[in-house]
Amino acid sequence: EDQVTQSPEALRLQEGESSSLNCSYTVSGLRGLFWYRQDPGKGPEFLFTLYSAGEEKEKERLKATLTKKESFLHITAPKPEDSATYLCAVQADAGGTSYGKLTFGQGTILTVHP
Amino acid sequence: NAGVTQTPKFQVLKTGQSMTLQCAQDMNHEYMSWYRQDPGMGLRLIHYSVGAGITDQGEVPNGYNVSRSTTEDFPLRLLSAAPSQTSVYFCASSYPSGSGADTQYFGPGTRLTVL
Repeated sequence: EDQVTQSPEALRLQEGESSSLNCSYTVSGLRGLFWYRQDPGKGPEFLFTLYSAGEEKEKERLKATLTKKESFLHITAPKPEDSATYLCAVQADAGGTSYGKLTFGQGTILTVHP
Repeated sequence: NAGVTQTPKFQVLKTGQSMTLQCAQDMNHEYMSWYRQDPGMGLRLIHYSVGAGITDQGEVPNGYNVSRSTTEDFPLRLLSAAPSQTSVYFCASSYPSGSGADTQYFGPGTRLTVL
């Protein structure tokens, strides 16, 4: 069974204080690992897809990295507008049967204070 | 493009009532999925579809039905609502990328309360 665990559950930062969010996963074979941002009352918004260990992707103050067991979302010099819940999800490599199926972690609630 | 749209945004039902949550996408995506989101539990897959006429069960399918007669629409039916189905429901659509991973794009959600 595929499993995704995110830590911490909640993170409070001061504006400009860099930190990282963790996503540990167990999957029989990884087709892709995804990061989403979710604002209150909204649907998840796609941020990144990582496909293989060693891969890194960046977008503004966010950088996602991937190893064989976990992924990190690094936030550099965060601003209050980065406050949101960040979700991690995996798609297993199970042939044609894994399309349309993601397994999500419970999310990390990030609050950035000015 | 409107992307993925969901209606209604909010709904209150009484136990035993039935209803359909609507989902539509205008991106010509092959795959569509329904998730529910409960506090502290992340998103859990209810049903998914890999094309018109093809659906399958996800992690928590009991009490829900789906059908997919067109590429654009993927309605979710609650047959006899129960308080345990109080949740926020998200619809997503995706397409197969060259790498084999399909990136899902989500709708704004339907917040359902069952009394």
